[in-house]
Amino acid sequence: DQQVKQNSPSLSVQEGRISILNCDYTNSMFDYFLWYKKYPAEGPTFLISISSIKDKNEDGRFTVFLNKSAKHLSLHIVPSQPGDSAVYFCAARDSHGSSNTGKLIFGQGTTLQVKP
Amino acid sequence: EPEVTQTPSHQVTQMGQEVILRCVPISNHLYFYWYRQILGQKVEFLVSFYNNEISEKSEIFDDQFSVERPDGSNFTLKIRSTKLEDSAMYFCASSQTSGGLGTQYFGPGTRLLVL
Repeated sequence: DQQVKQNSPSLSVQEGRISILNCDYTNSMFDYFLWYKKYPAEGPTFLISISSIKDKNEDGRFTVFLNKSAKHLSLHIVPSQPGDSAVYFCAARDSHGSSNTGKLIFGQGTTLQVKP
Repeated sequence: EPEVTQTPSHQVTQMGQEVILRCVPISNHLYFYWYRQILGQKVEFLVSFYNNEISEKSEIFDDQFSVERPDGSNFTLKIRSTKLEDSAMYFCASSQTSGGLGTQYFGPGTRLLVL
């Protein structure tokens, strides 16, 4: 089941620069997308989300962009900080009709390392 | 800030034994979920639960698995007869709604090791 893909297993950026994490999806019925951050031995922590009716959502240093025609979303972190070093998961949901059970489909995750 | 809690944090069991993983969702949430993450793999959906019944379950969630909300605050996942391949981190999550802007909040997880 590869409905949500994060093709880059890892990313390394310098502190203060921009981090861009990418996510692709195949199911055109997905209408809600979320990014979670995960530290080792902890549960995923919600970061930011976007509905399919929007193409951008911003929250502080975090911005998520959605390109529905390309079935692609990205998370931008500006400026990146060493504390941002973690695994970032993209997740998607289909909220239509009988599919509206809340089930999230996750990508494989991208490990971000922000170097001081 | 309200949070989802899970107990135990670690559980070691022998193959064939029953385990019960416990979760306390956020108090005003109505939708509850279990996910798991096998080491090195992606987080996988197991089951969603609403109004005291399962609303969706994955292929992984076979007859060995069951969920229950026994007392209005706890949400449990039972694995009746554990297998080696059940070794994973199990995450509980909860949300106020299943659709729209319903964000799922995850607990810290239970690491299950089946020997």
